[in-house]
Amino acid sequence: SAVISQKPSRDICQRGTSLTIQCQVDSQVTMMFWYRQQPGQSLTLIATANQGSEATYESGFVIDKFPISRPNLTFSTLTVSNMSPEDSSIYLCSVRPPGISGGYTFGSGTRLTVV
Amino acid sequence: GDSVTQMEGPVTLSEEAFLTINCTYTATGYPSLFWYVQYPGEGLQLLLKATKADDKGSNKGFEATYRKETTSFHLEKGSVQVSDSAVYFCALSEGGGYNKLIFGAGTRLAVHP
Repeated sequence: SAVISQKPSRDICQRGTSLTIQCQVDSQVTMMFWYRQQPGQSLTLIATANQGSEATYESGFVIDKFPISRPNLTFSTLTVSNMSPEDSSIYLCSVRPPGISGGYTFGSGTRLTVV
Repeated sequence: GDSVTQMEGPVTLSEEAFLTINCTYTATGYPSLFWYVQYPGEGLQLLLKATKADDKGSNKGFEATYRKETTSFHLEKGSVQVSDSAVYFCALSEGGGYNKLIFGAGTRLAVHP
C-alpha cells in the first residue's frame, strides 16, 4: 500500500493567518482526497484533487477558504485560509492506490489549533 | 445520498469480552465497505474491507461480513484486549473506482482489564 508523508503534524496559528499542509505519496496516484475531522467528530471530505485539473469541492467548502494544489501525481497541498477558531481540526489527506482491492491510505494528519 | 450509520458509543467492555459494533449503510449502487480504526493520538488505519456481497473481511481477530440484504457491515471480535481501545469508523465507497469515502460517526471503544 502507499505511504503518505504529511506535514506539519501539528501547528498553533493566529486567527486571520493561513496554513499550508503538504502530503507526499511514495507512489503515483490519480486522486488525492482531503478530509477534516473536527474535535470528537467523524471525517468530512473537503475536496478531491486530480492532477492537472481544478479540485472538486464538497458542499459547504469553497476554494477561497481551502485552496488546493496538485502539481504532480505524488504531491498535494491544502491551505486553510484566513483562519478562525472554528477551523481548529485535524486535517488528513488520503489516497487509494491502484487496484480495486486496495483500501484507502491516510496520512498521519495535521492537528491545527487556531487561537 | 449515500450514508453510513453506526451505533453510538462509547462502548465499554471488559478484557476478553465479545465485541459487536453495528454499521448499516444506504447506497444507490454496490459500494465497497471498510472499517477503519483510530488509536489515541494517531491517524486512521484500515482495519478490514469487503468489496462485494457476502465477502468477509478479517484482520487482527476482527471480522465483518458484507450483508446486502440487510445493508449491514457489523464489526465483531470474539475477545477484545485493552490494546483494542480506539475509535472505529465504518465507511463506504461507491463503485469500484477512485470514489470518496463516506464515514459513519465513529464508535469509541474502551476496554478495561
